Amino acid sequence: GESVGLHLPTLSVQEGDNSIINCAYSNSASDYFIWYKQESGKGPQFIIDIRSNMDKRQGQRVTVLLNKTVKHLSLQIAATQPGDSAVYFCAETQAQGAQKLVFGQGTRLTINP
Amino acid sequence: DSGVTQTPKHLITATGQRVTLRCSPRSGDLSVYWYQQSLDQGLQFLIQYYNGEERAKGNILERFSAQQFPDLHSELNLSSLELGDSALYFCASSVSRGSGRGNTEAFFGQGTRLTVV
Repeated sequence: GESVGLHLPTLSVQEGDNSIINCAYSNSASDYFIWYKQESGKGPQFIIDIRSNMDKRQGQRVTVLLNKTVKHLSLQIAATQPGDSAVYFCAETQAQGAQKLVFGQGTRLTINP
Repeated sequence: DSGVTQTPKHLITATGQRVTLRCSPRSGDLSVYWYQQSLDQGLQFLIQYYNGEERAKGNILERFSAQQFPDLHSELNLSSLELGDSALYFCASSVSRGSGRGNTEAFFGQGTRLTVV
């Protein structure tokens, strides 16, 4: 069945360092991927997305990389700040069909001062 | 503020009871999705509605049901509640229903925290 999983449940980095959060997906039919950030007590917040016809997309301090060959997705956060501390989820969906988002378990990112 | 409104924010109820969670999507969004998030767990897709019709179903229990009304707000009904139903329930909305065009990004509400005692 469909599954989106994360390699690491927790990640701690020093403030100012770069962080990389990884995600593996199993549904080769997925063609749209999203990273969400969830702070404590809040709903998931969209960070960045990427379609399967791309292998890299950059935002402000964030970059998403997609490797369709090995079904791997990563989120890079540059120059981390205390406000980046949150749980990060990757999610996959398909352009055709119901567009339901399949979420991974999440990685808790902690930024140490 | 995502523009998606969920009420109530918190709900405490006893086992065996029935509750209704409400979601108002962003203005103009036709799709509404319901997700369940248990403690330290990911988001489990429950059900999706598009313009009043059920569009997709996930791992939703038979004790749970949902509907989307003509004004596009949605309600999730949870009945015969069990302790294991305690979780955060999120609603999300998006413009598109999956045609492959348009926005596929889903905006989430703040969630309803349900505690069954």
